[in-house]
Amino acid sequence: DSGVTQTPKHLITATGQRVTLRCSPRSGDLSVYWYQQSLDQGLQFLIQYYNGEERAKGNILERFSAQQFPDLHSELNLSSLELGDSALYFCASSGHQGYYSPLHFGNGTRLTVT
Amino acid sequence: KNEVEQSPQNLTAQEGEFITINCSYSVGISALHWLQQHPGGGIVSLFMLSSGKKKHGRLIATINIQEKHSSLHITASHPRDSAVYICAGLYGGATNKLIFGTGTLLAVQP
Repeated sequence: DSGVTQTPKHLITATGQRVTLRCSPRSGDLSVYWYQQSLDQGLQFLIQYYNGEERAKGNILERFSAQQFPDLHSELNLSSLELGDSALYFCASSGHQGYYSPLHFGNGTRLTVT
Repeated sequence: KNEVEQSPQNLTAQEGEFITINCSYSVGISALHWLQQHPGGGIVSLFMLSSGKKKHGRLIATINIQEKHSSLHITASHPRDSAVYICAGLYGGATNKLIFGTGTLLAVQP
C-alpha cells in the first residue's frame, strides 16, 4: 500500500461533461503530481503541486485544471470532456526532495468518456 | 529522437533467468526513475538514481552519467516479476519535469 488514495476508481461520463478526480497524498508528503496514461501516448506528466502551490506544468490541456488544498489533498478537474480524454489518471506524491525522493503512486482513476 | 528510450519493448524469459532492461536518455536529464506497472494498472516506484548503483532484493539499477544510460537488472527472475517496467528521466531545476519511456513488457514463464 503506497499510502496514496485516489477516488473514484472508475468514472464513466459523456462528452462535454465535467469531472473531478481526487487524490490524498501519503501522510507527510508535500508534493502531488498528476499523470495521464493513454494507450497511444503512454504516461505523461500533467502538473505538480507543492504545499498548495503549483510547481511545474507539463502537457496539461487548458480544459484541465488542478489545485492542492490546505490539507494537501489535490483535485484534478477535467471539463468539456472529449473521447480522447479517456485514460488512466494517476496521482503520485513525494517528500520534500520532490523528484529526488521516491514517488508513491495511487491506484489511478480510469476515466471513460462515451 | 525521444528523450527517453527503452529497450527491448517486449521481453520473454524463463523463470530463473537474469534479465536486463536498458534505458538511454537525452542531455539535460539529471536523474532517472524506474517504475513497475502490474497488469492491474498500479504503479510502484522501484528506484531513483542520479549516480552509481542501487540494489533492492533481486533488483539492481545502474546509471552511467557519461554515457546517459541506465539498466535495470532482475536476478533469478520469477513469474511474479511479469509487469511493464518504465524508466523516466527527470529534467530538474526550474523545469522539474519527468519524461517517461514507452515501457518494457516483461513476461516470465514458469
